[in-house]
Amino acid sequence: DTAVSQTPKYLVTQMGNDKSIKCEQNLGHDTMYWYKQDSKKFLKIMFSYNNKELIINETVPNRFSPKSPDKAHLNLHINSLELGDSAVYFCASSKRPASSGGADEQFFGPGTRLTVL
Amino acid sequence: RKEVEQDPGPFNVPEGATVAFNCTYSNSASQSFFWYRQDCRKEPKLLMSVYSSGNEDGRFTAQLNRASQYISLLIRDSKLSDSATYLCVVNVPGGSYIPTFGRGTSLIVHP
Repeated sequence: DTAVSQTPKYLVTQMGNDKSIKCEQNLGHDTMYWYKQDSKKFLKIMFSYNNKELIINETVPNRFSPKSPDKAHLNLHINSLELGDSAVYFCASSKRPASSGGADEQFFGPGTRLTVL
Repeated sequence: RKEVEQDPGPFNVPEGATVAFNCTYSNSASQSFFWYRQDCRKEPKLLMSVYSSGNEDGRFTAQLNRASQYISLLIRDSKLSDSATYLCVVNVPGGSYIPTFGRGTSLIVHP
């Protein structure tokens, strides 16, 4: 039974298109995250939501818009895709946010490999 | 200066060797420290949290040195299956605490 799932696993698209990635967690966690891992394997946080509220927004272009319909789901919509958006996008969840001072483990989804042509 | 720095390696060691990695962080107010393991084309998974008093889990020992602002990971009796990238994570203050990953250290254990 998958704890954090993402769809799709692979996404190949043309520059300028709009695409969405979906994430769901069945762990009952309050906090969810989106990370981008580039070709040099650097994993960088993009957004975090706690109980559907945006708590971290890390200088990401506004072409990226996260949406959390409920605390088990965090989707990522990307407008006007660019070549530099090609990366692996990971969703993650934890019981509480890092700001709570807790040292909670993050559970990651399997990643979505986005290729922009 | 990057907020969280790691030597990318690769560290190439024979089975049975002991290997150690360090990870330095620049913000002294950072809280909560972790080591994650990432296998090729897979998601990161928690290896261990790092506590102020240090902690050990089987062949793995993690330590925190707040004075010098680094965490360390020691792997004893390396196995082939330990080959992976080891990512350190530090919660860095910035409005909210931000989980900040290092670039990872690649370990290759050979027969």
